[in-house]
Amino acid sequence: GQSLEQPSEVTAVEGAIVQINCTYQTSGFYGLSWYQQHDGGAPTFLSYNGLDGLEETGRFSSFLSRSDSYGYLLLQELQMKDSASYFCAVIGAKGSYIPTFGRGTSLIVHP
Amino acid sequence: EAQVTQNPRYLITVTGKKLTVTCSQNMNHEYMSWYRQDPGLGLRQIYYSMNVEVTDKGDVPEGYKVSRKEKRNFPLILESPSPNQTSLYFCASSSPGRDYGYTFGSGTRLTVV
Repeated sequence: GQSLEQPSEVTAVEGAIVQINCTYQTSGFYGLSWYQQHDGGAPTFLSYNGLDGLEETGRFSSFLSRSDSYGYLLLQELQMKDSASYFCAVIGAKGSYIPTFGRGTSLIVHP
Repeated sequence: EAQVTQNPRYLITVTGKKLTVTCSQNMNHEYMSWYRQDPGLGLRQIYYSMNVEVTDKGDVPEGYKVSRKEKRNFPLILESPSPNQTSLYFCASSSPGRDYGYTFGSGTRLTVV
């Protein structure tokens, strides 16, 4: 079967750095994506890792280790507007290019 | 503006009354998918389509139908809605490419009473 595990909630203070981990077990794998969703909004795409290593996009970075079936999203210089849910998603589960999502991590940023 | 458009945004209906939620994208995307989102369960895949006339079941397809007669449209059909289909529904689309980033519609909040 397919499973993606990520923490249900993470809290941090403004200006800090936070890491959201994701481990996966799927029958197929092309890469790992990350999405952000604010309350009442639609998910928005943040990043994709098809190869091992770190991808950096501004304050956000994402890492993948295919051998460990593990990835993480790193958020630096946290701002209040970063309070949202973050989802990891596998591309390639069951050989499909459609994302299979984890249950999401609620990030709460305190002043 | 590049977007995925879902309609309606909100819908309250009664058990057993057939309904269709429409989804349209203007980006010429091949891949389209429907998800439902329930508290604590994340986004669960209902059906997806890799191209016109090509559809397949996701993880929770029971009680739903889809069709992909044109590239831009991917409607979700509930033939006989039941209260356990009360949920927030999202349509999403993408194309083969470097990052497989999906664009989501604004969502449809469905209540079945």
